[in-house]
Amino acid sequence: SAVISQKPSRDICQRGTSLTIQCQVDSQVTMMFWYRQQPGQSLTLIATANQGSEATYESGFVIDKFPISRPNLTFSTLTVSNMSPEDSSIYLCSVVKGWETQYFGPGTRLLVL
Amino acid sequence: GQQLNQSPQSMFIQEGEDVSMNCTSSSIFNTWLWYKQEPGEGPVLLIALYKAGELTSNGRLTAQFGITRKDSFLNISASIPSDVGIYFCAGHPLNPQGGSEKLVFGKGTKLTVNP
Repeated sequence: SAVISQKPSRDICQRGTSLTIQCQVDSQVTMMFWYRQQPGQSLTLIATANQGSEATYESGFVIDKFPISRPNLTFSTLTVSNMSPEDSSIYLCSVVKGWETQYFGPGTRLLVL
Repeated sequence: GQQLNQSPQSMFIQEGEDVSMNCTSSSIFNTWLWYKQEPGEGPVLLIALYKAGELTSNGRLTAQFGITRKDSFLNISASIPSDVGIYFCAGHPLNPQGGSEKLVFGKGTKLTVNP
């Protein structure tokens, strides 16, 4: 399995500001992802965080809004930029260990006022 | 893209009862994963299934990878109050090259257990 930690665990932010979320894994992983879970909904993939290169974004998500860093194989950050109330969600870091077995962090609960 | 149809959407049961939920798709899947999410937490992996027909247990939980590779079920036996949460199925669809697409999620089954 994988032990994943995220910081912050929750935050309340003002619209127009940005928040950077950190994800730390207890071991090196190749595949790392960022998901969003809106209230009462399932999980939606934002992007794949690639080590040493630009992240790969899913349809509907862009780098200017959700810049991602992946400086090494155990760490990644997701920034939610120029926030609006619609960005209020849980943001989840996820990694793959073993064969296609995906684990999730505890999430970062974001409320934008 | 591929979609997973997860049912039921919600369940209200009495403590001690057995629970069954399932996921179906029109697409073939290479992997099926079942997660539980409690309020304020991230999804926790319960069971991972890797080949058609596979039946795997984790305590009171049992899950199977359907023989057609298009469905999976999760059973919980003798439910207890701490089983409360949202259960998500997820899977890696088969891509045209024979590998796997990215993980796809069902919409979840919300389980309520009355003591």
